[in-house]
Amino acid sequence: QKEVEQDPGPLSVPEGAIVSLNCTYSNSAFQYFMWYRQYSRKGPELLMYTYSSGNKEDGRFTAQVDKSSKYISLFIRDSQPSDSATYLCAMERAAGNKLTFGGGTRVLVKP
Amino acid sequence: DTEVTQTPKHLVMGMTNKKSLKCEQHMGHRAMYWYKQKAKKPPELMFVYSYEKLSINESVPSRFSPECPNSSLLNLHLHALQPEDSALYLCASSWDRRGDYGYTFGSGTRLTVV
Repeated sequence: QKEVEQDPGPLSVPEGAIVSLNCTYSNSAFQYFMWYRQYSRKGPELLMYTYSSGNKEDGRFTAQVDKSSKYISLFIRDSQPSDSATYLCAMERAAGNKLTFGGGTRVLVKP
Repeated sequence: DTEVTQTPKHLVMGMTNKKSLKCEQHMGHRAMYWYKQKAKKPPELMFVYSYEKLSINESVPSRFSPECPNSSLLNLHLHALQPEDSALYLCASSWDRRGDYGYTFGSGTRLTVV
């Protein structure tokens, strides 16, 4: 069993819809949680960073962390075709220095 | 400057060649990383430098040799690579060992070994 599980998709939604992404993890030592967006043949781009349970909002993006359930989510409101990309969740122990990634979810937003 | 710059963007090398990948950041980050990413897979950690000292080597073959000349620069020296080493090589940086506020990744070097 992988430490971090993420549905590979693809997830296809119409423009303007809410995109809902999630990851589950098994190691309770993970304390810091991140979401990255990666376009084809580019490096990952940090979207959200959080270290506590609850919600964090930044523009169209909302990240949720539920440490008791070992479950994190990312919601993208008013999705645009430019949001079409692979979304990677990543997490890190308190000791730091090593990200553990989910496998990535490919998202396609259709005009 | 909020970027990690990697050069070259593309590299084709033979199995007997020696080449180097370069990474540069001017954000004052004190930790720098090399990751390898195969197609449709997440990035895999190779090396971590913290305050210019190698702190993590994820059992990477010796044909990959990292170097951190100063706090802004990170190199990856390549020698006698195999075709299976073809991948996207990503450099990243963060404020400190714990990656506070997340990691900033470069756009990567797409390496093809022939």
